[in-house]
Amino acid sequence: EAAVTQSPRNKVAVTGGKVTLSCNQTNNHNNMYWYRQDTGHGLRLIHYSYGAGSTEKGDIPDGYKASRPSQENFSLILELATPSQTSVYFCASGDAGGYQDTQYFGPGTRLLVL
Amino acid sequence: QQQVRQSPQSLTVWEGETAILNCSYEDSTFDYFPWYHQFPGESPALLIAIRPVSNKKEDGRFTIFFNKREKKFSLHIADSQPGDSATYFCAARNNNNAPRFGAGTKLSVKP
Repeated sequence: EAAVTQSPRNKVAVTGGKVTLSCNQTNNHNNMYWYRQDTGHGLRLIHYSYGAGSTEKGDIPDGYKASRPSQENFSLILELATPSQTSVYFCASGDAGGYQDTQYFGPGTRLLVL
Repeated sequence: QQQVRQSPQSLTVWEGETAILNCSYEDSTFDYFPWYHQFPGESPALLIAIRPVSNKKEDGRFTIFFNKREKKFSLHIADSQPGDSATYFCAARNNNNAPRFGAGTKLSVKP
């Protein structure tokens, strides 16, 4: 069973502060993803990575940075947090190709920016 | 801009009925179409998926119907059970890009 963990699970931040969300996967997947989930919008792609050292912009990258220092770890960084970034953030890992192309999601991080 | 459109936003059916959830997409290079479900307080998990080599995929009570010409696909849940109540997300991807998700359908199955 694929394992993706996220930390912290809950976070309260102040406007203008820096927030780092961490994700770790033990499945040796090449691809990792960050999504945010908001009511009415589903899962929106922020950044993703094809492997260590690579990051790609998703559909809503503004205000977010990503870092993939190793195969296992993928971080999402909010340099100057704003209340509009209050959301639930999901990290996922997976590999493309083959008939089964499953994404495995972490448990989510609930972020509140005051 | 939503690359994958999903409807309805919410759906209520009675136990035993068939629930039908719909999705459409624009990018003709998409070649993998999964459905995920998410129970309250949990993270999304893969339910069933299809590739366009076929126009139908079944797994128990869950069936995907795929129409490549119209760029539409749907999830049919037969004999719906209260335990099926969840939010369902369709998604689409190709090998060169990350998966994109629809906005979700919140399904309620009344006993």
